[in-house]
Amino acid sequence: LAKTTQPISMDSYEGQEVNITCSHNNIATNDYITWYQQFPSQGPRFIIQGYKTKVTNEVASLFIPADRKSSTLSLPRVSLSDTAVYYCLVGDRNNNNDMRFGAGTRLTVKP
Amino acid sequence: DTGVSQDPRHKITKRGQNVTFRCDPISEHNRLYWYRQTLGQGPEFLTYFQNEAQLEKSRLLSDRFSAERPKGSFSTLEIQRTEQGDSAMYLCASSPTETGELFFGEGSRLTVL
Repeated sequence: LAKTTQPISMDSYEGQEVNITCSHNNIATNDYITWYQQFPSQGPRFIIQGYKTKVTNEVASLFIPADRKSSTLSLPRVSLSDTAVYYCLVGDRNNNNDMRFGAGTRLTVKP
Repeated sequence: DTGVSQDPRHKITKRGQNVTFRCDPISEHNRLYWYRQTLGQGPEFLTYFQNEAQLEKSRLLSDRFSAERPKGSFSTLEIQRTEQGDSAMYLCASSPTETGELFFGEGSRLTVL
């Protein structure tokens, strides 16, 4: 199983861009990278998924370098409501019985 | 609402009692997961079903824990002889085969007194 490493916490201010990096040095060929967001007392929620290069949706971008040993979740112009824990998962989505979460990154957005 | 639903949302029990949680996944999803989450920690994987088959169980799932998914639809997670260390949020997620995206319920919070 590909192990992931993320910063434990990050602080930001409203309106700033936030980049959270995840290291996954032993990612396998078939593994995808998926990011989830979790608010207190709620289940995690899917943000974005990618395999290589760059993926963008309405809430975030995901940057994956050519060696795929890391990935960066980019949140543009964060607001107070983006305060949450962000998790990076790596796994084979076609055989995903290894969807394991790490400790995540606790993002605090300040006014 | 066609999301993942879990019942009950909250359960308070005394040590030694048995508890059962139910999860109703999104109907077209054939994969179902159970996780346990304690305060300040990420969700810990407990077990995984592909349709009705339980394909993987974590070592965290002691003999007191059992999960079923009859007919590949809803799932139950039973904890026998509860201990105070079982106090946690129990999360269920379902996933479609194509994307592997996990859709979580809002969880069932267990408090063992």
